[in-house]
Amino acid sequence: AQSVTQLGSHVSVSEGALVLLRCNYSSSVPPYLFWYVQYPNQGLQLLLKYTSAATLVKGINGFEAEFKKSETSFHLTKPSAHMSDAAEYFCAVSGKAGGTSYGKLTFGQGTILTVHP
Amino acid sequence: EAGVTQFPSHSVIEKGQTVTLRCDPISGHDNLYWYRRVMGKEIKFLLHFVKESKQDESGMPNNRFLAERTGGTYSTLKVQPAELEDSGVYFCASSQVRGGETQYFGPGTRLLVL
Repeated sequence: AQSVTQLGSHVSVSEGALVLLRCNYSSSVPPYLFWYVQYPNQGLQLLLKYTSAATLVKGINGFEAEFKKSETSFHLTKPSAHMSDAAEYFCAVSGKAGGTSYGKLTFGQGTILTVHP
Repeated sequence: EAGVTQFPSHSVIEKGQTVTLRCDPISGHDNLYWYRRVMGKEIKFLLHFVKESKQDESGMPNNRFLAERTGGTYSTLKVQPAELEDSGVYFCASSQVRGGETQYFGPGTRLLVL
């Protein structure tokens, strides 16, 4: 069975500082990997996804993530935080064709990002 | 193009009552998913439709939950009778194809069972 662990339920950074949100997954084969963001009173919005192409994935709003198979990680980064980045971030995985996790997303616990002026 | 919509946005009911949640996916999306987030926990998969067929309902908690997708368009999720532990946010998502494809999420329905 697949699982996702997000280290840190709350992360606080200053405006302009580096944002690093950690995600580790457990899967028997390299899965599809996603980062979603949820702003208050809104649905989840896709930030970026890894589907076995380039291991460094660039997403919207200046975010990027690197797939590291050896570390089973998919950490999310942004060089300089903005106040508008304050939200809850979710890492998710889904399996590939032929597996029981094909299609459906398995989420981590979520990380609330706070950005201080 | 309209996104995924869900109705109602909020629902407060008493234990033992029935509630029906509705999801309208993005037009043309054959895949429809239901997820739930109980307070303090991670978002969990409930079930997956491909058109009108249930492809995977391994995440449905018990037989008090009934999901339908008549005609392969909108979907409903009925909880009957509701229990306290059913409280949470119910999300619907849709995608054109399965596997690696972006799932587009609705805003969710916040259900509170008293």
